[in-house]
Amino acid sequence: AQSVSQHNHHVILSEAASLELGCNYSYGGTVNLFWYVQYPGQHLQLLLKYFSGDPLVKGIKGFEAEFIKSKFSFNLRKPSVQWSDTAEYFCAVKGGADGLTFGKGTHLIIQP
Amino acid sequence: DTAVSQTPKYLVTQMGNDKSIKCEQNLGHDTMYWYKQDSKKFLKIMFSYNNKELIINETVPNRFSPKSPDKAHLNLHINSLELGDSAVYFCASSQTGLFGTQYFGPGTRLLVL
Repeated sequence: AQSVSQHNHHVILSEAASLELGCNYSYGGTVNLFWYVQYPGQHLQLLLKYFSGDPLVKGIKGFEAEFIKSKFSFNLRKPSVQWSDTAEYFCAVKGGADGLTFGKGTHLIIQP
Repeated sequence: DTAVSQTPKYLVTQMGNDKSIKCEQNLGHDTMYWYKQDSKKFLKIMFSYNNKELIINETVPNRFSPKSPDKAHLNLHINSLELGDSAVYFCASSQTGLFGTQYFGPGTRLLVL
């Protein structure tokens, strides 16, 4: 069975700081990897995804993530965060025909 | 032109009642899902339907029954509601297979009193 681990449950940063959220997964086969964001009171929105090819993927709102196969990692990064980035961030993996397996989420708070 | 829609948005009910949540997608996807998000924000898949056939049931109590009248709809019926069923329920849809990105509905916040 696949699993996803997000290392940071709560992260507090100041505006303009750089962000890196860790995500590790376990699955024996080919996986697709996703980062979703959930703004307060809203539904999940796709930030970015990796299927194949360039392991550095760029998403919306200046986010990017790097797939490192040898480390089973898919960390999310943003060079300079904004107050509006305050949200819950979920890493997810999809293997085979299964639905998404989510990590437990990282609650990101950006202080103005 | 909402891609994945759910009704109702909020649902407050008493223990023991039976309730349904509806989901519709207009993306032409052939797979739909139900996820439960608990009070700690943890998301877990409950069901997946592909072309009107159940392909995942992640040990969800049989009080929960998904019903798919066609591939654009996947409704969730819950019998004998319990306090622990209080959560946000998200519907999602995707194309079948490894490369299908899932798109989520706005969620239904269920509160069982």
